[in-house]
Amino acid sequence: GESVGLHLPTLSVQEGDNSIINCAYSNSASDYFIWYKQESGKGPQFIIDIRSNMDKRQGQRVTVLLNKTVKHLSLQIAATQPGDSAVYFCAERQGLTGGGNKLTFGTGTQLKVEL
Amino acid sequence: DTAVSQTPKYLVTQMGNDKSIKCEQNLGHDTMYWYKQDSKKFLKIMFSYNNKELIINETVPNRFSPKSPDKAHLNLHINSLELGDSAVYFCASSPINTGELFFGEGSRLTVL
Repeated sequence: GESVGLHLPTLSVQEGDNSIINCAYSNSASDYFIWYKQESGKGPQFIIDIRSNMDKRQGQRVTVLLNKTVKHLSLQIAATQPGDSAVYFCAERQGLTGGGNKLTFGTGTQLKVEL
Repeated sequence: DTAVSQTPKYLVTQMGNDKSIKCEQNLGHDTMYWYKQDSKKFLKIMFSYNNKELIINETVPNRFSPKSPDKAHLNLHINSLELGDSAVYFCASSPINTGELFFGEGSRLTVL
């Protein structure tokens, strides 16, 4: 299944299916993009990142795709499991000359895995 | 050991009161942050400190005052609390110049 994070905040998938969560970012100067997972009652947790000079990066069961032409980012989760149920956020980074990062988070998409 | 710990986890208080939330990280990171998450789960940065120096100060009412006594601690003091301050406040830390933030468990503030 597919979801656009800004317009369809909930994505329901069957256990074992692949999930695709989409995100549109706003700043063409952003050089780095990150996906975070937030489980209920917890803080966001880093999943995977991608630099702006790449268009694809793979992790364990997760793949991030970056399309700079249309300022679009997606997170693909293979063989979705009940433990994947959470809110997923994309974030874009603007580097600061004084050090540190300014991360701007997207709206978030709730992923629900049905048994 | 908890990497980023913040206290208290829950805070219920009356309008007009002053309250503080404390944050400590044991990861040796140079940079710490405060984020606010509203009821719609929207996460917005409030402040960032790099080695005890304020480097990000978003448009936040001056009732909010961060303090970093050392690079492992970043506290948030809020004066004259308002209903709209009700939210979950997250502390985070990161090594300098990476986007991998390590978040605490959050402090849920409810203003009555």
